[in-house]
Amino acid sequence: DTEVTQTPKHLVMGMTNKKSLKCEQHMGHRAMYWYKQKAKKPPELMFVYSYEKLSINESVPSRFSPECPNSSLLNLHLHALQPEDSALYLCASSQDLYTEAFFGQGTRLTVV
Amino acid sequence: QKEVEQNSGPLSVPEGAIASLNCTYSDRGSQSFFWYRQYSGKSPELIMSIYSNGDKEDGRFTAQLNKASQYVSLLIRDSQPSDSATYLCAVNPMNYGGATNKLIFGTGTLLAVQP
Repeated sequence: DTEVTQTPKHLVMGMTNKKSLKCEQHMGHRAMYWYKQKAKKPPELMFVYSYEKLSINESVPSRFSPECPNSSLLNLHLHALQPEDSALYLCASSQDLYTEAFFGQGTRLTVV
Repeated sequence: QKEVEQNSGPLSVPEGAIASLNCTYSDRGSQSFFWYRQYSGKSPELIMSIYSNGDKEDGRFTAQLNKASQYVSLLIRDSQPSDSATYLCAVNPMNYGGATNKLIFGTGTLLAVQP
């Protein structure tokens, strides 16, 4: 089983809203990631968590706030987003920091 | 500068033919290489991973890695219309400060298999 589950699948939010994206895996993976993908572009890394600790922050604006409550869950808290933040947000996990990453279905985010 | 380069395509092949997808990377210390398939509007799906020089086969897919030439390829035998998608090459570069799984993606090659 290589399933990474993301909720919600679609989200429309206003620029003053606060919302959260959720990601869950039950594969025992110890590394989890957030990526952002714009149309016709490759995924761009946002954050890496390893053993529930933030390992990499790719200079992401503070309006994006990641959280890893436990080894199976990863959240991305959104606040005061801009329309240009509209994108497909992808969660991924891997056994460790060396091996292949498996992606969730993604959350299609639209900021209005 | 760490880069992964792919021909954006589209690469058009007839059904049943071999599709050959290529990728070059600039970080000579890279250790892990992956191919993902992404259908339009969907998330990337892992097709192959390869870590050492040579060929790795899985069903109709063969990944080839040549670290000396900094080149990785994906061959798809007996191509089917359902293989039509964007294929993303991803490289995990060496991080001398410690382990990291900071995948660097190429821009992807659009494959179109014609019935």
